[in-house]
Amino acid sequence: DAKTTQPTSMDCAEGRAANLPCNHSTISGNEYVYWYRQIHSQGPQYIIHGLKNNETNEMASLIITEDRKSSTLILPHATLRDTAVYYCIVGNKAAGNKLTFGGGTRVLVKP
Amino acid sequence: NAGVTQTPKFRVLKTGQSMTLLCAQDMNHEYMYWYRQDPGMGLRLIHYSVGEGTTAKGEVPDGYNVSRLKKQNFLLGLESAAPSQTSVYFCASLSGQGPQHFGDGTRLSIL
Repeated sequence: DAKTTQPTSMDCAEGRAANLPCNHSTISGNEYVYWYRQIHSQGPQYIIHGLKNNETNEMASLIITEDRKSSTLILPHATLRDTAVYYCIVGNKAAGNKLTFGGGTRVLVKP
Repeated sequence: NAGVTQTPKFRVLKTGQSMTLLCAQDMNHEYMYWYRQDPGMGLRLIHYSVGEGTTAKGEVPDGYNVSRLKKQNFLLGLESAAPSQTSVYFCASLSGQGPQHFGDGTRLSIL
């Protein structure tokens, strides 16, 4: 399974867009990019996923580069409740869809 | 609308004791997973199942056994608990093309 690299931590201002980068240079053609977040010690919460096209839902947007070696999660208007650890993960649906969690990015939204 | 339910939520064991963690999902999902999360780290896959009656090893399977006798349930067993197994355990499930849905976790301490 491809590994991902994320910044350890980042701060962002409440009401501003938060851009979370992720590198996955060894991603293979049939692997998806997934984003989850974990607030406190709760179970991870699904945010969004994509294969090669950019995706948007009610929570966030996912921008995947054309070579698929990196992606960016965008939270359009960060709120204090978005403070969490954000995980970027690549997974292969054909291989049991196992997810390998790295250390994630600890995001602190400040007022 | 229960989703993924884990039982129990908390447990304290003595070294050498055995116990079973139960994960139940009401979404008719084919795939189910058990992860553990140690302090400050990401989740690591213990075992998973791609369907009723099937199980497979994940990244850290030693010291654990699992069973999937019914589609909706995935059991994680510790035959002889060790302090190194003190952790938070998360169960997840998914179906087809969807993302994994996680439970709220079981906090297990082994003295």
